[in-house]
Amino acid sequence: EAGVAQSPRYKIIEKRQSVAFWCNPISGHATLYWYQQILGQGPKLLIQFQNNGVVDDSQLPKDRFSAERLKGVDSTLKIQPAKLEDSAVYLCASSPIDRGRSSYEQYFGPGTRLTVT
Amino acid sequence: RKEVEQDPGPFNVPEGATVAFNCTYSNSASQSFFWYRQDCRKEPKLLMSVYSSGNEDGRFTAQLNRASQYISLLIRDSKLSDSATYLCVVNRGATNKLIFGTGTLLAVQP
Repeated sequence: EAGVAQSPRYKIIEKRQSVAFWCNPISGHATLYWYQQILGQGPKLLIQFQNNGVVDDSQLPKDRFSAERLKGVDSTLKIQPAKLEDSAVYLCASSPIDRGRSSYEQYFGPGTRLTVT
Repeated sequence: RKEVEQDPGPFNVPEGATVAFNCTYSNSASQSFFWYRQDCRKEPKLLMSVYSSGNEDGRFTAQLNRASQYISLLIRDSKLSDSATYLCVVNRGATNKLIFGTGTLLAVQP
C-alpha cells in the first residue's frame, strides 16, 4: 500500500515570498491533517479535513496560511507571505474513519522541510 | 503550561540497558494515548497505543495512570536501533486531534 506522498521535500525561500506544499493521502483515507514541526518540538496540528470539509483549523494562522482539499483527496497548504518563524517541517498525515472507535492511527508523509531566509 | 509535557533528554544509555520515559498531560478529558517514534529527519510513526491496563509489545511496555494523568514507556534490553525521539501523544477525542509532546531523545551507545 502506498503511503502519504508529499512534495516538494525541501524548499528554500526568502521572507515575504509565497510557497505551496502538496499532499496526497493514503487511498481511501477520509481524514487529512497538516502539521507544523519546528526543530526541537513535537508536531503541531494546523488544520484537519474530513473529506473536503474543515474539522479543525483553530491553530492555523489564517492571515498568512491557507489550505484546501477541494475534491476530498489531495490537499495543498500555502503560506503567503512567509516569515522567518515559518521555517519548519510541514507534515501531512491521513487516517481512515472507524465509526466504532474515537481514535485511529494517523499515517504521516515524509514532510516538506521549509527554510525561510 | 504545555498540554503534554516530556523530558526532552537526551537519554544516553548503553546497549542492553532498560530505560523509562515519562509524560504528563493536563487535559483530564483526553481519551486516547500513544507513543510515536520519530527517527532523525523522518516522519513520526506509531509505536504503540497506551491502555489503562498497561500493554506490552516485545521489549516495550506502556502504562497509563488516568488519576495522575501520567503515561510511561519502558524499553528493555535497548538496541542501537532504538535510538530515536519518542513522542508522547494524547488524543482529545471526537475529532481524532493529536496533541504531541516535544519528544524525548534516546541515544543507545555500543
